[in-house]
Amino acid sequence: DADVTQTPRNRITKTGKRIMLECSQTKGHDRMYWYRQDPGLGLRLIYYSFDVKDINKGEISDGYSVSRQAQAKFSLSLESAIPNQTALYFCATSDMSGYTFGSGTRLTVV
Amino acid sequence: QKEVEQNSGPLSVPEGAIASLNCTYSDRGSQSFFWYRQYSGKSPELIMFIYSNGDKEDGRFTAQLNKASQYVSLLIRDSQPSDSATYLCAAMEYGNKLVFGAGTILRVKS
Repeated sequence: DADVTQTPRNRITKTGKRIMLECSQTKGHDRMYWYRQDPGLGLRLIYYSFDVKDINKGEISDGYSVSRQAQAKFSLSLESAIPNQTALYFCATSDMSGYTFGSGTRLTVV
Repeated sequence: QKEVEQNSGPLSVPEGAIASLNCTYSDRGSQSFFWYRQYSGKSPELIMFIYSNGDKEDGRFTAQLNKASQYVSLLIRDSQPSDSATYLCAAMEYGNKLVFGAGTILRVKS
């Protein structure tokens, strides 16, 4: 099993719909992150969490919310999806030696 | 806004040559720097990290850091077609947050 698992792998949704992307990890790390990746823009931080009770906004949090249900689970929600949220989304965990990324969720909003 | 800058490329090198990838960063407070490799549609994979001025070698890869010039580089010796990918440079901010550059596309021609 992968250390960081993201579901779904691919999703197409309609404008205005609510969608949740899920992430679970077996690394035992306290720190978890959500990034989105757009062509030519690299990875940009949406939200991050240092533990279950500590959640912080990243660079581009508008239009997104998160929930840290347990140390191992960190979900990202789009309350009302819009087309410019079409992107590749990555969840990651970290310790001092770096990040471990999930396989990504490719989200298309039509 | 703390930034990490990379030339988007593509950088084309012949098989067996040395590929040199460069990165500059804006935050003088950044202490650790990371190089990730990302194949198209896949998640980033950590190649190596560096936090001391000078060179750090790992197999065919050498990372170089110059904090005075705010410059990080990655050298890939004996480049192989399988090294063709996008290389992401990242600087670690306070709180284990990584700020990524947009990436450099490397193409190794056989």
